[in-house]
This record gives sequence, structure tokens and C-alpha cells, in this order.
Amino acid sequence: NAGVTQTPKFQVLKTGQSMTLQCAQDMNHEYMSWYRQDPGMGLRLIHYSVGAGITDQGEVPNGYNVSRSTTEDFPLRLLSAAPSQTSVYFCASSPPGQGAEAFFGQGTRLTVV
Amino acid sequence: GNSVTQMEGPVTLSEEAFLTINCTYTATGYPSLFWYVQYPGEGLQLLLKATKADDKGSNKGFEATYRKETTSFHLEKGSVQVSDSAVYFCALRMNYGGSQGNLIFGKGTKLSVKP
Repeated sequence: NAGVTQTPKFQVLKTGQSMTLQCAQDMNHEYMSWYRQDPGMGLRLIHYSVGAGITDQGEVPNGYNVSRSTTEDFPLRLLSAAPSQTSVYFCASSPPGQGAEAFFGQGTRLTVV
Repeated sequence: GNSVTQMEGPVTLSEEAFLTINCTYTATGYPSLFWYVQYPGEGLQLLLKATKADDKGSNKGFEATYRKETTSFHLEKGSVQVSDSAVYFCALRMNYGGSQGNLIFGKGTKLSVKP
């Protein structure tokens, strides 16, 4: 029962490098999203998707790109890493329904030096 | 816009103490309300939820009641354990689909329970 799988768990990048954070879910959920978690800030929405081929921006989208070519996968790309992107990143997926539970991955701890 | 405000932490309690973490919300409409818990080094997991006014969510001894008149969803537990040490997030969701389907989180409250 894999649920939501994020890779890698830890990553260190140099300023200006690019990378992709992977997220995969095996529950056939239409709704997927990416959040970042910073101390004292809670979780802030970066991008989300309501289905394959459909993505939209959240609260803090600058510096990030996403695509959704399949229901299962929702990768997050950092185009040119900056120290301000040092954070813990969480991917989540949800089934339909306003009261439905969101399932979260274990997180990726990213440090940009 | 829609938002969630929860009490700032950290909160430190002795084992078997009573816990209350306050959460209030602002929303145009009738959201579903959630409490998520994050144990050290892990992702978030659902603790409990309520989808309409006066509903009470409960799980693992925790409870919260959806109060429309006070726009609140306070988390309570009668007797905390060391294993309850975690960060607790209050959240709302307006509707499923589009931007309304996104969870909106409070900033989290860190709870430490001492033996």
C-alpha cells in the first residue's frame, strides 16, 4: 500500500542548479498538489492539478514548474534554485469530495547553498 | 479570502494533562474542517474532520466540534501522552474541484508532552 511516494527524501543544491522533485500516487486520485513547509509559516500551496493535463498556480508558484501527464505522477521542477527555496516540500493527493482526506508523502528536505 | 488561524506554540504539557488547541476560520461559505498531525520526520496525516456545522470529529481520544456560530474547530484531548508529541495543523477546504478544492492550513502548533 504505497500511497503517495516522494523522492528524494533529502537534497542539497547549489544556487542556480535545477532539479525535479518526484511525486507518485497509486490511489487513482484526480487531485494532486505541492506544498512547502517553512518554520512559522505552515504549509503554503505551490501548484496543484485537478487531473491529467490540468495544472494551476497556488499561493507561492514563482521559481517552480509542474506538469501532469498522467494521473499517477506530478513532478515539481525547480528551474534555477535559490536559497529562499530551502524548505521541506510535500506532495498530496485527494479523492473527490469536499470532506475527503488528503494523503501526504513523507516530504523532501531541500537545502540550497 | 479564506483563512485559518490557530494558536501559536510551542505548547508543553505534562503527561495526562488536558489539551486544547484553538482554531478559528474565515470562509465565504461552509467549508469542511480538518485537523492534521505531523510526527517528527514524517508527512501529515489526517487526525479528524467535520464536514458540517455541529459535527464532532474524533479519533485517538482527540475531539473537535464544528461551531459555525463562533467559526471555530478547537482540538481537545482529555489526557495527553508522550506519544502525542507532534505538530498539529488545522485546515479547511471549501469545495472539491478547482482552486476551491485546495486545503488551507493554519501555521501549526507544536505540542511537546513530558513524562
